[in-house]
Amino acid sequence: DVKVTQSSRYLVKRTGEKVFLECVQDMDHENMFWYRQDPGLGLRLIYFSYDVKMKEKGDIPEGYSVSREKKERFSLILESASTNQTSMYLCASSFPSGEVNTGELFFGEGSRLTVL
Amino acid sequence: ELKVEQNPLFLSMQEGKNYTIYCNYSTTSDRLYWYRQDPGKSLESLFVLLSNGAVKQEGRLMASLDTKARLSTLHITAAVHDLSATYFCAGEETSGSRLTFGEGTQLTVNP
Repeated sequence: DVKVTQSSRYLVKRTGEKVFLECVQDMDHENMFWYRQDPGLGLRLIYFSYDVKMKEKGDIPEGYSVSREKKERFSLILESASTNQTSMYLCASSFPSGEVNTGELFFGEGSRLTVL
Repeated sequence: ELKVEQNPLFLSMQEGKNYTIYCNYSTTSDRLYWYRQDPGKSLESLFVLLSNGAVKQEGRLMASLDTKARLSTLHITAAVHDLSATYFCAGEETSGSRLTFGEGTQLTVNP
């Protein structure tokens, strides 16, 4: 079974703190994604990566950065956390969509971040 | 830019009844995905629809895709309480593997 593991299920941080959210997948997927989920807004893509050291902005990248130094690991960084970044953060991974692979996303359990 | 809209957003139904959730998308998307999310949990893949006319069934759920109408449906047959969850559809951007999600349909099945 595909396993996507997020390092922290629950975090509480203070405004201005630097926050690291880690995600590791064990299926050798090329693609990795960070979404945030908020009530009434669905899932919104923050950043994604198609390969090691590559990153692409999603729909809401402001206030976030990412790092992908190894294929299996994709980190989301909040340089200076703010209260409006209180949310559920979901990491996902997939093979590239094509004739062989479906592009189906596999999600981690989520990290619920509260910024006070 | 792909936009995905689901309706209804909230659905309360009785056990044993049938209902359909609709997923419309704005631009060409050859693939459509359905996910389920239980409260406090992450998303679990239900169906991947890969081409026009695709139909997939699992238990009381059946999903279909009409790429010409830019519409996918998730049909629930004889609902049971265990189906209570939030259901998301997602379309694939033509530029790559990124998915755009609908807002989700929160389904409650009442005894």
